[in-house]
Order: sequence, then structure tokens, then C-alpha cells
Amino acid sequence: GAVVSQHPSRVICKSGTSVKIECRSLDFQATTMFWYRQFPKKSLMLMATSNEGSKATYEQGVEKDKFLINHASLTLSTLTVTSAHPEDSSFYICSARGAREGRYEQYFGPGTRLTVT
Amino acid sequence: GQNIDQPTEMTATEGAIVQINCTYQTSGFNGLFWYQQHAGEAPTFLSYNVLDGLEEKGRFSSFLSRSKGYSYLLLKELQMKDSASYLCAVLDSNYQLIWGAGTKLIIKP
Repeated sequence: GAVVSQHPSRVICKSGTSVKIECRSLDFQATTMFWYRQFPKKSLMLMATSNEGSKATYEQGVEKDKFLINHASLTLSTLTVTSAHPEDSSFYICSARGAREGRYEQYFGPGTRLTVT
Repeated sequence: GQNIDQPTEMTATEGAIVQINCTYQTSGFNGLFWYQQHAGEAPTFLSYNVLDGLEEKGRFSSFLSRSKGYSYLLLKELQMKDSASYLCAVLDSNYQLIWGAGTKLIIKP
């Protein structure tokens, strides 16, 4: 399968600061990228969907001013958690989808574990 | 509504074969995915079926029947490292991924 990288893998930050997470599709062009968060022993929760060059579509209940998403190119999307609070501590996972000949394969990055102190 | 059903938990023995079923009712269909997720890690892509039939990849195979709204993931020669959650997901007509709750597979020696 294709490779999606995510950086950093772990980050610890203080309350009130901002954290940027990068997601890259390394060997394919991602027409659409997705950001998920997951709490321990819980299902993946979709936060937002973004297409290259356009604004992200956020799921209900996700604050777009707090979770800033930029999808600048077909291989890069970033998620910035602004003014982080301890309750933002979670596992954030990006996913990239490529479209080719009617197939829409979707791959996940390795995730970023965010701890806000 | 949209619905994906898969068993919550299954147990199998090392070296054996296990089949994890997934049934779905979605608005439209643009393919079905299987992912493996180990605790504390992100999901790993296993398969993507768009057409009916069986696709084999090493020890893992995935089957799809669109008319029955049914898929299964077949794992052969089970190894302890196969202990994980297996997630079934369907891409609907709006190209949204609809997720099953996952099947926790426990492998015993």
C-alpha cells in the first residue's frame, strides 16, 4: 500500500500554546485528506475533511477556529491545534485518499499523540 | 440509516484460520475497506474491494458480495501478532467512509 507520514509522532505542550501536525502522502497524490482523533479504546472520530486548495469541511461539534486545517498541496495537509487545553490531549491521525481509475484507496498516517499539560 | 455490522470480538488459535464477517447497509457504494489496528496505533490498510469476488494478499484475503451487502476478511496461518482490532468501512455515495465498530481478534497459543 501507499505511505502516509505524520510528524511529530509525539508532542507535549503547555496549555495555551499551539501545536502543528503535518501529514504527507509520500508516494501518491492525495485528492482528499482527513483528520481523525481517537481516545483510548474508542472508535475513530472524523474531525474534518479537506480537499487540496479549498477550505476544510468540519464535522459537527468540531471547532474550526481551534483546529486549523491547511491542505496546501496534493501531498501535504497540516492540523494546528490552537490554544491547546488538557482536554485536547488525544491521538490525532491523518488519512489520505487517492483516486485512480474508479478506486479510492485510503491510507492512514501513524498518528500523533498529543499531551497538553 | 447507514449501518455496518461486524462481530465485537472473536477468538482463534495460533496457526488456524479465522473469518471476520461484515454486513452493510449504506446509501450507495464505492468500495469496502478492511483495516487492522493494534492498540495505541493508527489503522493499517489491509484491502479495498470494489468488485465482487475474492482478493488474496498473502495470508489475508477479502471477499465482497455487493448484492448481499456482505464482506469477509479471511486470515490464514494465524500468528500472535495478528491479535488486533479489524475495522470494516464502506465508502458511500458521498465518498464518506462509514465505519463498523471493529472486531477485536484474540489469538491464543
